[in-house]
Amino acid sequence: GDSVTQMEGPVTLSEEAFLTINCTYTATGYPSLFWYVQYPGEGLQLLLKATKADDKGSNKGFEATYRKETTSFHLEKGSVQVSDSAVYFCAEKKSSGDKLTFGTGTRLAVRP
Amino acid sequence: EAGVAQSPRYKIIEKRQSVAFWCNPISGHATLYWYQQILGQGPKLLIQFQNNGVVDDSQLPKDRFSAERLKGVDSTLKIQPAKLEDSAVYLCASSLQGGLRGDTQYFGPGTRLTVL
Repeated sequence: GDSVTQMEGPVTLSEEAFLTINCTYTATGYPSLFWYVQYPGEGLQLLLKATKADDKGSNKGFEATYRKETTSFHLEKGSVQVSDSAVYFCAEKKSSGDKLTFGTGTRLAVRP
Repeated sequence: EAGVAQSPRYKIIEKRQSVAFWCNPISGHATLYWYQQILGQGPKLLIQFQNNGVVDDSQLPKDRFSAERLKGVDSTLKIQPAKLEDSAVYLCASSLQGGLRGDTQYFGPGTRLTVL
C-alpha cells in the first residue's frame, strides 16, 4: 500500500537555526500533500499543503515544495523559534480518495 | 468558527470493557473521519462517513469496533470489548465536502484511551 516516510526524530535545534524535515511519498499519480503539526497537548493542525507538482505550500515561515521527480515534500524553515517545538506529520492523499496516509511524525525540540 | 469537538478527552478502562467516544464536526462539514493514533505512529484511518453513509471502513476491526453517524452530524465510535492493543488516541476529523482535491481535514483534540 501507499506509505509516507519521514526522517526520524527527535530533531533538536537551537533557536534561529535552519530546519529541514525530509518527507517522501509512494502514491502514484498526483496525490495532494500535507504537513500537519501537533503542539503539546493539542490536536493536529494543518500547517501547509500542495496539490500539484511544483506547488509550494507556505505558512508561519514554513515552506514545502511538491517535487514529483523525487516524490518528496520536505519541510523547511529558515529560523526556528522555541514555539515551533512540536511533532510534525507529513501526509498524502491520493487523487482518487479522501484517506490521509500519515508518516510516523518527527518531533522537533528548539532550545533557547 | 468552532472546531471539531470530542469527548471525553481521556478514558481509562480495563480490558474486555466497553467504551464510546463522541465527535461533533465543524458545522456544515459533510465528511467525518475517525483515526486511531498509536503512540509513536501517525494516525490511521478507521472509518469515513459522507453525511450519514459509510464511505470507507476497510481498516475498522469490525469484530469489536463500531461507529455511527445517524443524523449526518455528530458521530459515536464504540469499542466492545476493548483489548490492550486498543490503547491509543482516537482522533475525529471533518472536511467540507470530501472527494475534492486538496480538501482540508480539520482535527479535534482527540480522546486518549488507556486499556489496562
